[in-house]
Amino acid sequence: GDSVTQTEGPVTVSESESLIINCTYSATSIAYPNLFWYVRYPGEGLQLLLKVITAGQKGSSRGFEATYNKETTSFHLQKASVQESDSAVYYCALLTGNTGKLIFGLGTTLQVQP
Amino acid sequence: EAAVTQSPRNKVAVTGGKVTLSCNQTNNHNNMYWYRQDTGHGLRLIHYSYGAGSTEKGDIPDGYKASRPSQENFSLILELATPSQTSVYFCASGDPGLGGYEQYFGPGTRLTVL
Repeated sequence: GDSVTQTEGPVTVSESESLIINCTYSATSIAYPNLFWYVRYPGEGLQLLLKVITAGQKGSSRGFEATYNKETTSFHLQKASVQESDSAVYYCALLTGNTGKLIFGLGTTLQVQP
Repeated sequence: EAAVTQSPRNKVAVTGGKVTLSCNQTNNHNNMYWYRQDTGHGLRLIHYSYGAGSTEKGDIPDGYKASRPSQENFSLILELATPSQTSVYFCASGDPGLGGYEQYFGPGTRLTVL
């Protein structure tokens, strides 16, 4: 079946350091799934961070970026210089079929130290 | 303004009691979803709906019912609540479009069943 595996947390980095959160997927129900990164800040609901619907393309938002790699079935999230305000839980997700059903990874808690 | 709202935000229920979680969206989306989020499981789909009067089973529907009386409202019903249903519940709405398919989430409801 379809699944998403992402970096286990918590991940702790210092402010201004670089970040990578790994995400790999398995999609058996659809050849080219839409891929997403969602973020949940403390006390808030999930927000879409970025999405990519075409293999080989890169999505970016708020300094974060992720490239849809069909060959390695990966969609890693990267940021060159994190800020304390980036502390949150990050979820990688893929869209299966036509129902709009999202398959989520377990989430990665990011803690940015000042 | 928040486009997906949930009520209540927090709920404490007793085992065997009936619980109703409500969701309202102003996005005019046809599709709505209920997820639960638990440590070690990420978000899992409980029920979803394609429009008023429609409800479909997701991946973990046992012990839950859903109701979609209108385009805007989607409820999740626990007829006989159990401690295993203690979780954070998220409602979402979304429709497919040319730019892909993204879901908009509410802030979540924290349910504790004692």
